[in-house]
This record gives sequence, structure tokens and C-alpha cells, in this order.
Amino acid sequence: DQQVKQNSPSLSVQEGRISILNCDYTNSMFDYFLWYKKYPAEGPTFLISISSIKDKNEDGRFTVFLNKSAKHLSLHIVPSQPGDSAVYFCAASEMDFGNEKLTFGTGTRLTIIP
Amino acid sequence: EAQVTQNPRYLITVTGKKLTVTCSQNMNHEYMSWYRQDPGLGLRQIYYSMNVEVTDKGDVPEGYKVSRKEKRNFPLILESPSPNQTSLYFCATRGAGGLDTQYFGPGTRLTVL
Repeated sequence: DQQVKQNSPSLSVQEGRISILNCDYTNSMFDYFLWYKKYPAEGPTFLISISSIKDKNEDGRFTVFLNKSAKHLSLHIVPSQPGDSAVYFCAASEMDFGNEKLTFGTGTRLTIIP
Repeated sequence: EAQVTQNPRYLITVTGKKLTVTCSQNMNHEYMSWYRQDPGLGLRQIYYSMNVEVTDKGDVPEGYKVSRKEKRNFPLILESPSPNQTSLYFCATRGAGGLDTQYFGPGTRLTVL
């Protein structure tokens, strides 16, 4: 049972436009959410996070929005650049017997078209 | 430079032949863990360790062992690999700053024939 879902396996966006990546979750115990970026042959790297007590967090071109009532978060990238082409994973955290356990989505492959 | 290294990066082996994937970090992080990534399933945690000599099961521990004898190293051991352990494996470390300070290694692609 996939508790964190990224329903779009892939997304193509023109350079300079906005990229919006979506993520849905089902577990109401999740209290912290993260986005990771992954290039081929590399491990995921942390991009941005948001606590469940907030609805928005911004870091440069990247903004994460959280809608708790809808159990939905999204990552906005503005403006999109060719270097943003990668696979993006959303992840959600809950405390599990002292372990901050992360549950990952299946990833969305973002392609920025020059 | 903060580094998490994994070896080997690629491995093709046969069913039942014991293997070890090494993971080493230079950040003095207490928390280390192993994940596997499979198509359609995202990353799933295999084992984690909160400190030296302290290890615990993640979501998919069957068929794997780990040890944490020193802070910098966290090897993943497959005593008798099977084809369903064919996967992409990532080691990760986490600093005192919490989840935002989690670093992943470059990955090990394992194929079990």
C-alpha cells in the first residue's frame, strides 16, 4: 500500500516556465515532508522541506506548498532551467519507535526543454 | 567535502553467493541507513543504525544483515542473495540537524542471477 504517491511518472516543461510536481499522501501521522532531486548514477540530494505546521516554504527558485486537509504537497520551480532535469522524489516522515522514518514516493522525471 | 562512498558501484552475482556492500562516511554522523530502490516502489528502508553497535530493522529487512562496529562504516551483507534482491541500493547518513541533513551515497546496482 503506497502511502506516498506521485501520480505523474514524467513531466516536460519549457525552459523559463514553471514546473509543478505533485505528491499525495494517505497517512495523517506524517509531520514533515521533503523533496529530493536525483541525477542518473547519483544518490538523491535534499532539495527543500516543510513542516506540517506550515503551508509554504520557499528557497530561491523552489517553493513547496502543503495542503494538509487534502493531504497534498507540491513543488514549484520557477523559472525552470535545463539543470533542473532530474527525477524528483517526495518523502514524508513520521516518528516510528524513536526512528524518524521516511516514506518515499515513486518519483517524477522532470525534463526541461531548452 | 562531505562524502558517502559505496563499493562496489555495480555488481552482478549468482544466487547464494554471499556478498557485502560497503558504506563509509566522513561526516561523523551517528545515524546511517540502507535503502533499496525498485521501479514503482520508491525507496524503502532496509536497516538503520542510530549509533555504533545499535542497529534495527526498516521496512524490508528480510534477506539482509548489517553491522555497525565503527561510526564511519555501515556494511550491508547479503548472506545468500536471491534474484528478488536485484535492485539499486543506497546508503544514507543523517546528521544532528535531522532529516534536512540526510546525505545519500551514489548507489550500488546489484543484479542477482
